[in-house]
Amino acid sequence: AQSVSQHNHHVILSEAASLELGCNYSYGGTVNLFWYVQYPGQHLQLLLKYFSGDPLVKGIKGFEAEFIKSKFSFNLRKPSVQWSDTAEYFCAVNADYKLSFGAGTTVTVRA
Amino acid sequence: DTGVSQDPRHKITKRGQNVTFRCDPISEHNRLYWYRQTLGQGPEFLTYFQNEAQLEKSRLLSDRFSAERPKGSFSTLEIQRTEQGDSAMYLCASSIGTFYNEQFFGPGTRLTVL
Repeated sequence: AQSVSQHNHHVILSEAASLELGCNYSYGGTVNLFWYVQYPGQHLQLLLKYFSGDPLVKGIKGFEAEFIKSKFSFNLRKPSVQWSDTAEYFCAVNADYKLSFGAGTTVTVRA
Repeated sequence: DTGVSQDPRHKITKRGQNVTFRCDPISEHNRLYWYRQTLGQGPEFLTYFQNEAQLEKSRLLSDRFSAERPKGSFSTLEIQRTEQGDSAMYLCASSIGTFYNEQFFGPGTRLTVL
């Protein structure tokens, strides 16, 4: 069974700072990789996804993620965060139709 | 609104009571998933359907839990004889049934068992 590990439980940063959230997964076969975001009071929304091809994928709201197969990693980045990026971020892996999620990282952006 | 909907949004019940939740997926999606999320954790898979067939159930899904999707459209998740440990957010998601499997989530039903 696959598992997903997110490195940080809570990240606090100021507006305009850069953000990087770590995600590692364990699964030896072909996987699809996702980052979902949950803004306060809202439901889970897809931020970006990787299926194949270019390992650097761009998502909504200026987010991007890099798939490094040799490291089993799929880290999320944003060069300059805004207050509205305050949310919980979940990395997820899909190897057999169901999603396996990490525990999530709460990101708080101070204005 | 064409997203995934769930009803009720909140449910408070006493231990030992039965509860039922409903999920309406996006209309053209043939796969429907149930997940459970507790505080400080990511969603955990419970079960999923392709059309009306229940294809997989997690070991998390004890025999007190049952899910149905009778006509391949909406789904229900029933918990019998609720326990305090069942308190959680129950999430429903749907997708088109390909390997490139982007799942769209509903708002969830928050269950509190007193």
